[in-house]
Amino acid sequence: GNSVTQMEGPVTLSEEAFLTINCTYTATGYPSLFWYVQYPGEGLQLLLKATKADDKGSNKGFEATYRKETTSFHLEKGSVQVSDSAVYFCALAANQAGTALIFGKGTTLSVSS
Amino acid sequence: EAGVAQSPRYKIIEKRQSVAFWCNPISGHATLYWYQQILGQGPKLLIQFQNNGVVDDSQLPKDRFSAERLKGVDSTLKIQPAKLEDSAVYLCASSQPSSGNTIYFGEGSWLTVV
Repeated sequence: GNSVTQMEGPVTLSEEAFLTINCTYTATGYPSLFWYVQYPGEGLQLLLKATKADDKGSNKGFEATYRKETTSFHLEKGSVQVSDSAVYFCALAANQAGTALIFGKGTTLSVSS
Repeated sequence: EAGVAQSPRYKIIEKRQSVAFWCNPISGHATLYWYQQILGQGPKLLIQFQNNGVVDDSQLPKDRFSAERLKGVDSTLKIQPAKLEDSAVYLCASSQPSSGNTIYFGEGSWLTVV
């Protein structure tokens, strides 16, 4: 079945450091890929998405590229801020209308000033 | 545009008691999802509705969990009787093809079973 594997956290960085959170997936066909973020005490928010191979999703300085050959969708940011401290979830959805998301376990990011 | 609304936000109950959570999706969204998020884990789908019909309830523990969406808009998730391991955040989400199938989540209902 479809599944998502994320690097385990927590990830602890200093402000302005480079961030990578690894995500790989197993799926039949060509799923859409997502990164969601959950700030403390808040609900899940869509951060970025990519719907086909080689697409790059980007938002708020974060980027991720859909790599079909390596079945990966790693999240990167060139310079993290304290306000980026949150839990990040990688997810996939089979590429059909209204398909539910399958999530990874989440990676906690803590950024200190 | 109003987001996905959920209530109550927090609930503490004793084991073997019952609890119900309510969700109002984004207006016009035909697809509604209930997810369970246990602390330290990713959300897990419990049930998916398309309008008022069930699309997928394969991971819903049907001996104690039930959900309905009678008029194709609001939904209720019920747990009876609750167990300690049901302590989790219950997330409601909705989507619509016209929104690119992006799934929007509510803030969640936090359940503690003691």
